Amino acid sequence: DAGITQSPRHKVTETGTPVTLRCHQTENHRYMYWYRQDPGHGLRLIHYSYGVKDTDKGEVSDGYSVSRSKTEDFLLTLESATSSQTSVYFCAISFRGDEQYFGPGTRLTVT
Amino acid sequence: QKEVEQDPGPLSVPEGAIVSLNCTYSNSAFQYFMWYRQYSRKGPELLMYTYSSGNKEDGRFTAQVDKSSKYISLFIRDSQPSDSATYLCAMSGTGSGGYQKVTFGTGTKLQVIP
Repeated sequence: DAGITQSPRHKVTETGTPVTLRCHQTENHRYMYWYRQDPGHGLRLIHYSYGVKDTDKGEVSDGYSVSRSKTEDFLLTLESATSSQTSVYFCAISFRGDEQYFGPGTRLTVT
Repeated sequence: QKEVEQDPGPLSVPEGAIVSLNCTYSNSAFQYFMWYRQYSRKGPELLMYTYSSGNKEDGRFTAQVDKSSKYISLFIRDSQPSDSATYLCAMSGTGSGGYQKVTFGTGTKLQVIP
């Protein structure tokens, strides 16, 4: 998985609770991304980062926030989890911004 | 209409068959084309990366891009049961040094029967 780890790998949480997912890379790539993958929708971009403290929204950013205080770490926070945020979350990294390499994913269930 | 269309399958073939996976797209600005393989409950793995039109071969895999028809293909020769996975196409526009949105297809599920 190209030097990318995600934690936790599985999480079950209750509606209304905050949740933070972590992505860690050892490749020193500039770009980092958070996607969610759902049946029938494919991969949808939530947020991305193009450098330390430089982030921007993707197509499905409502209800999510991100932070990147170090090159190697990109955090995704669900401020108040809802059942519609039950999904598989993937982190990806890229050197130039086109080829992306994905982590192993986090399965999140919101009950 | 989605920017990238991909038949979801499933596609079932016998071992040893030649497999053809395809995507069509509508955005003529796309210049970079990728194929990812995703095994069940795993992250997508970059399989092939091509720039602009033409063919690229890597072992049993051949990626083909026809920009005039806005159509890309991935061919798998001598398919093996280990090729059973979901294959996602992906594409992005031009411009190095800055963020380029990558648009993914929804994936085609392939099953190779021994």
